[in-house]
Amino acid sequence: QSALTQPPSASGSPGQSVTISCTGTSSDVGGYNYVSWYQQHPGKAPKLMIYEVSKRPSGVPDRFSGSKSGNTASLTVSGLQAEDEADYYCSSYAGSKVVFGGGTKLTVL
Amino acid sequence: EVQLVESGGGLVQPGGSLRLSCAASGFTFSSNWMSWVRQAPGKGLERVANIKGDGSEKYYVDSVKGRFTISRDNAKSSLYLQMNSLRAEDTAVYYCAREVAVAFDFWGQGTLVTVSS
Repeated sequence: QSALTQPPSASGSPGQSVTISCTGTSSDVGGYNYVSWYQQHPGKAPKLMIYEVSKRPSGVPDRFSGSKSGNTASLTVSGLQAEDEADYYCSSYAGSKVVFGGGTKLTVL
Repeated sequence: EVQLVESGGGLVQPGGSLRLSCAASGFTFSSNWMSWVRQAPGKGLERVANIKGDGSEKYYVDSVKGRFTISRDNAKSSLYLQMNSLRAEDTAVYYCAREVAVAFDFWGQGTLVTVSS
């Protein structure tokens, strides 16, 4: 069982927006602004999409955005494209350790 | 261009040992925390261990404490993971990753470790 809770699946049509949640506790998500999101295509290494709750690394489209409220962080993908179909994982600092969510499979319908 | 290339994975019997290596290039290796992150087949991600740039601080997930040792050679821009007393539950793809602000911004392609008799 993962430390952070994510919905196992999410979906949307091309052009739509979808939001994936990541729920933790005050000891991880709620206690630090070190939430990250990763995209993973089948058979590939994860790719960093969001760090420090809402910052985007260079090269990540601004269609991807992150936020946090209390113990829940969220990743929003706007203007869905076919290539966004992948698994998405959240992670959070938890005091000398890093915890991950179980992952959400995003399907573009 | 940042590159991380892992090697050393393979099939090992329970109780056996394996040493993973990660060759880094394209950035100042000695200035960065580095991590090993694993992913069991069909499962999520888990940071196994990380190490500070100068090697002075190391952290391990509870399940590998006393069995795994992370190390680095900054002269060779290389990261290592010595894995002893391997168990079936250690079966996973092991990724080398650069860690910045508690985020993993660059990843290797991964190396598969299979623990089975």
